[in-house]
Amino acid sequence: GAGVSQSPRYKVAKRGQDVALRCDPISGHVSLFWYQQALGQGPEFLTYFQNEAQLDKSGLPSDRFFAERPEGSVSTLKIQRTQQEDSAVYLCASSLARVRTNEKLFFGSGTQLSVL
Amino acid sequence: GQQLNQSPQSMFIQEGEDVSMNCTSSSIFNTWLWYKQDPGEGPVLLIALYKAGELTSNGRLTAQFGITRKDSFLNISASIPSDVGIYFCAGIFGNEKLTFGTGTRLTIIP
Repeated sequence: GAGVSQSPRYKVAKRGQDVALRCDPISGHVSLFWYQQALGQGPEFLTYFQNEAQLDKSGLPSDRFFAERPEGSVSTLKIQRTQQEDSAVYLCASSLARVRTNEKLFFGSGTQLSVL
Repeated sequence: GQQLNQSPQSMFIQEGEDVSMNCTSSSIFNTWLWYKQDPGEGPVLLIALYKAGELTSNGRLTAQFGITRKDSFLNISASIPSDVGIYFCAGIFGNEKLTFGTGTRLTIIP
C-alpha cells in the first residue's frame, strides 16, 4: 500500500484479555518502530526492528508487551493480560533507512486501545 | 520516559494570525524535528533541523534550532484553517531514539 497501515483502528478489551495489534509498513522499508501515545501526550518509543531483528526493546513497559516481525515486513505488537493503564493509541512507523535515529519516519494512523 | 516540554500547551487564534511555539529540553540534541498530528492520524514530519542556530522554512512554517541545542522554535505565518492540529517537537541525540515533546494544540477561531 501507499502508507503504513495499522489494524484494527479501534480495540476495546476487557482487563486481563490479550490483544494483538498489526502493522503493515511501507513496502521495502527496513526499519519499523512502535510507539505508545497516551491521551494528551506525545508518542513514546516502545521498540525498534531492522528487518526481522528486534534491535531495541528498551521502551516496552513490562514483560506483558511483546513485538515480532518474523519475515521483516508485517509486525505484531501483543499485549498480554491487558491493564487499564495500557489504554493508549499505539502507533507504528516505518523508514527506508537502516538506522534507529532516522527522522524520516512514516507513521500509521494508530490503533486506539481501550481497556475496560 | 523523558519528554520535551512544549509551550504553550494550547493556543486559540484567529485565522490570519501568526503563531509561535517552542520546545525546551534539559539535555542537548543534535537533531530537532517538528511534526503535526491531525485527529485520528499519526504525526507527519514538517521540518528537520540539524545544526545549532539553523533556521529552516517550509512554506509558511519556519523553525529554528536553538544555539544552546536545548531548545527549538516553530513559527507559522498567516494561519489558515488546515493548520489546526497538535504540533510536536522531537529530538535526537547521537544514536538515541527519537524523543517527543508534550505537544501544542492549535485551534483557529473563525
